[in-house]
Amino acid sequence: KAGVTQTPRYLIKTRGQQVTLSCSPISGHRSVSWYQQTPGQGLQFLFEYFSETQRNKGNFPGRFSGRQFSNSRSEMNVSTLELGDSALYLCASSWGAGVNEQFFGPGTRLTVL
Amino acid sequence: QKEVEQNSGPLSVPEGAIASLNCTYSDRGSQSFFWYRQYSGKSPELIMSIYSNGDKEDGRFTAQLNKASQYVSLLIRDSQPSDSATYLCAVVPGAQKLVFGQGTRLTINP
Repeated sequence: KAGVTQTPRYLIKTRGQQVTLSCSPISGHRSVSWYQQTPGQGLQFLFEYFSETQRNKGNFPGRFSGRQFSNSRSEMNVSTLELGDSALYLCASSWGAGVNEQFFGPGTRLTVL
Repeated sequence: QKEVEQNSGPLSVPEGAIASLNCTYSDRGSQSFFWYRQYSGKSPELIMSIYSNGDKEDGRFTAQLNKASQYVSLLIRDSQPSDSATYLCAVVPGAQKLVFGQGTRLTINP
């Protein structure tokens, strides 16, 4: 079974721009969660989607948003990029709603200049 | 107090020995607990989940959970150099989202 895929793997943007990251979950998984990982803050929860609905949201500003499509694929968008948004963005999928075993994709490394 | 706390290490263990990784959590209502392994430059990989008090064994790995003490641990028997990685403890508190500790960096010395 193919794992979680994320595109693009690497991205370089400048301050003020916006970015969209994509995640395709494991086949049959309907829940997708997004995380931000930085050396200082570690892994922090952004949001979780299940059946195209946002079920939970972390403590991030409104510049961070996401959505999920009917095929369970998910995108996250960051608008008005700041230098501090430079991080590894990880997507994880699980079979159902709520928090059960989550499997991570390879991540998208975002650098904001 | 952080929701999930781990000793950041580095923890250095000789090859063949038992590596013991510890994690404490603050929300007494937490029900699900996970251990992830993350190699440098890679994404986290799920290695163990535990939901009930006691021990759960999977190969060389044993997860231990003590809800009364709000403590979860991971033991790695017969440690191998390939076990060198950062180990992340993750807990699901009442807010129903996965909260990660900062991770413990483990080094296995040949």
